[in-house]
Amino acid sequence: AQSVTQLGSHVSVSEGALVLLRCNYSSSVPPYLFWYVQYPNQGLQLLLKYTSAATLVKGINGFEAEFKKSETSFHLTKPSAHMSDAAEYFCAVSAKAGGTSYGKLTFGQGTILTVHP
Amino acid sequence: DADVTQTPRNRITKTGKRIMLECSQTKGHDRMYWYRQDPGLGLRLIYYSFDVKDINKGEISDGYSVSRQAQAKFSLSLESAIPNQTALYFCATSDVTEQFFGPGTRLTVL
Repeated sequence: AQSVTQLGSHVSVSEGALVLLRCNYSSSVPPYLFWYVQYPNQGLQLLLKYTSAATLVKGINGFEAEFKKSETSFHLTKPSAHMSDAAEYFCAVSAKAGGTSYGKLTFGQGTILTVHP
Repeated sequence: DADVTQTPRNRITKTGKRIMLECSQTKGHDRMYWYRQDPGLGLRLIYYSFDVKDINKGEISDGYSVSRQAQAKFSLSLESAIPNQTALYFCATSDVTEQFFGPGTRLTVL
């Protein structure tokens, strides 16, 4: 079984400030981990993914995330927020090859990021 | 052209009506999925199919059915729609490491 918890349903930052969105996961097998972004009235866009290569993963739009196995975390960060980053962000987990969860994504509840001028 | 398309994009229907949401993909993947999104709940898996002959229930399949007509097509049906099925529905397809999502269908059941 696998699950994802995103800490904080709403995060508010000022433009230029650090963005930190928290994600903790539970998985009985080695995971793949993902961050998706959803802009208002749009579908989901992949920001970045961890598939067992480097633990620090860089994505689009200046975002990055670090896989920490000991903490079962995959937090998303961006050094300097832009107004255009305002969106809802979803963390998701799937199992690597093998096991009944292989290929299926389990999503967190989502975090709405607001960026103030 | 988009890799994953969904029709219709918006639909308003009445309680008790049968409705079908359609999904097509041009990525050539065997795996396809249907999710629903509700505010504060993220996306939840309704059904998934790992190939044309393989259909599996997800965590919230009650009240829904699916049909995999071909590798590229995966339809979701609500046999008798009810108001709590009002949601945003997403179709997705995947390779080994990544899922690709359609634009979504916003369904309202009155």
